[in-house]
Amino acid sequence: AQSVTQLDSHVSVSEGTPVLLRCNYSSSYSPSLFWYVQHPNKGLQLLLKYTSAATLVKGINGFEAEFKKSETSFHLTKPSAHMSDAAEYFCVVSELYGGVTNKLIFGTGTLLAVQP
Amino acid sequence: DAMVIQNPRYQVTQFGKPVTLSCSQTLNHNVMYWYQQKSSQAPKLLFHYYDKDFNNEADTPDNFQSRRPNTSFCFLDIRSPGLGDAAMYLCATSRDLQTYEQYFGPGTRLTVT
Repeated sequence: AQSVTQLDSHVSVSEGTPVLLRCNYSSSYSPSLFWYVQHPNKGLQLLLKYTSAATLVKGINGFEAEFKKSETSFHLTKPSAHMSDAAEYFCVVSELYGGVTNKLIFGTGTLLAVQP
Repeated sequence: DAMVIQNPRYQVTQFGKPVTLSCSQTLNHNVMYWYQQKSSQAPKLLFHYYDKDFNNEADTPDNFQSRRPNTSFCFLDIRSPGLGDAAMYLCATSRDLQTYEQYFGPGTRLTVT
């Protein structure tokens, strides 16, 4: 079974400094990986996705992530944090369930705080 | 804009009083999902519909039921809410079962008093 581990439950950065949210996955074959963002009392918004094309994936709002098979990692980065980036971030892997259905396996989330 | 809509955004019900949450979509997707998300936790899949075929997760309590009368609408029924059912309920859609990407609604926050 596939799984995903988010290494930090809380990350705090200053506005204008880089953001790094770490994610490691476990998979027996080539996974599809996603990052979703959730602002308080809101639904989940897809930031970016990796589905076996380019290993460096660019998403919305200046975020990007790099798929590193040798390290089984899919860390999320942004060069300069903005106050509006404060939210919960979920790393997600897609698992083929029963040979037919793609099921999303969520990490436990990383809460990003951005200090002025 | 095509989207996933959930009503109401906030719902308060009493212990044991049945409650229904609503989800609609304009994406014309075949699959609709219901997730439960408790405070500071990841979303947990309850069940999904592929067209009219209902698929329950093995650990979803019998207290939770769902209906999908047509492609656009899907309902989550909680027959006898307990205090432990207080959570955010998220609806999501995908084009088909093999599609990786799911589109989420804004969620309904359920309070049980």
